[in-house]
Amino acid sequence: GAVVSQHPSWVICKSGTSVKIECRSLDFQATTMFWYRQFPKQSLMLMATSNEGSKATYEQGVEKDKFLINHASLTLSTLTVTSAHPEDSSFYICSEAQGSHEQYFGPGTRLTVT
Amino acid sequence: GENVEQHPSTLSVQEGDSAVIKCTYSDSASNYFPWYKQELGKRPQLIIDIRSNVGEKKDQRIAVTLNKTAKHFSLHITETQPEDSAVYFCAASKGNQFYFGTGTSLTVIP
Repeated sequence: GAVVSQHPSWVICKSGTSVKIECRSLDFQATTMFWYRQFPKQSLMLMATSNEGSKATYEQGVEKDKFLINHASLTLSTLTVTSAHPEDSSFYICSEAQGSHEQYFGPGTRLTVT
Repeated sequence: GENVEQHPSTLSVQEGDSAVIKCTYSDSASNYFPWYKQELGKRPQLIIDIRSNVGEKKDQRIAVTLNKTAKHFSLHITETQPEDSAVYFCAASKGNQFYFGTGTSLTVIP
């Protein structure tokens, strides 16, 4: 299976600051990557689909100006949480799709906003 | 959009017993149904999947069944072991977009 890394694995920031999370595909050139968020003891919620070289496609209810996604290369997608607030504290997971269906998940980034 | 429901939310079984988790989906165009196992603080790991042209698939102690007409699919784990304890998620997909169920926390009691 594919290898996907995320950085950082855990970040604590103050309310009002912005945080960038990186998602890297280490062995595959992924034209499409996905960003999910997961609250404690809850399911993964798809936030957006990140397409290399074009704008991300956001799911309904996800603020594109708050969660900035950049997919500048085939191996890197970034998610920036702008003006973070405590309610943005969550586990953020990226994934890449290979072939027609299978997705491979990154290890996740735990964001804590104080 | 797709709506995936999963039941039960929590499940406790004795070691050696079987566990069954059920999911329903709403979009008849969904054609790929993976199951993931997620341990606390870790990434989801694919454990088994099934495509819409197949009714059942088995891999050792794990099996998945799919009823396209009723739009539901189930995960079956036999001879459960303590290391099976985790949160399990079903998902439904068409193309590359995945929609996850709400998860089932499985506890296997030694």
